[in-house]
Amino acid sequence: AQSVAQPEDQVNVAEGNPLTVKCTYSVSGNPYLFWYVQYPNRGLQFLLKYITGDNLVKGSYGFEAEFNKSQTSFHLKKPSALVSDSALYFCAVRDPRNYKLSFGAGTTVTVRA
Amino acid sequence: NAGVTQTPKFQVLKTGQSMTLQCAQDMNHNSMYWYRQDPGMGLRLIYYSASEGTTDKGEVPNGYNVSRLNKREFSLRLESAAPSQTSVYFCASSGPGQGSTEQFFGPGTRLTVL
Repeated sequence: AQSVAQPEDQVNVAEGNPLTVKCTYSVSGNPYLFWYVQYPNRGLQFLLKYITGDNLVKGSYGFEAEFNKSQTSFHLKKPSALVSDSALYFCAVRDPRNYKLSFGAGTTVTVRA
Repeated sequence: NAGVTQTPKFQVLKTGQSMTLQCAQDMNHNSMYWYRQDPGMGLRLIYYSASEGTTDKGEVPNGYNVSRLNKREFSLRLESAAPSQTSVYFCASSGPGQGSTEQFFGPGTRLTVL
């Protein structure tokens, strides 16, 4: 079985400070990992993915994530947060052998001015 | 290029009523998905269609049926709605190849069952 844990329901940071959203996963074999962002009353938008290769993945809007196989983690980071980054963030994992994408419960990020 | 579109945006049903949620994509994707989103539970897969002509159950299929009408369209039907089906429903697609990586999501349908 595959699963994702996002240990923090909420993350609060000041604008200009670094932002980290944590994600750990469980899957047999090599995972496909994703981050999505959801703004209020909108669908999910794809931010970035790890499939293979370099452990540091860069995505949209200045976000990046680091794949750590030994810790089974895929934390999302942004060096300098903006108020407009306030949203709900989802981590997701997929076993390449099937189509199922498993989502974490989500982390609400609030960036204060 | 509209991406993934869903209709309706909002719907209120009474217990026992039926309805169909429509989804269409214009990205020539092979695979399409239906999810429901409930607070604190992330998104859960209801059904998916790996390619035209095939459908499979996801995590929470009970009370739902789907139809992959053609490559573009994938509908979700509630035959007899229950209050437990109050949720936000998202359609998604991925491609071009089967099982390709990221999924693209529609704007959602907010369903309330009274």
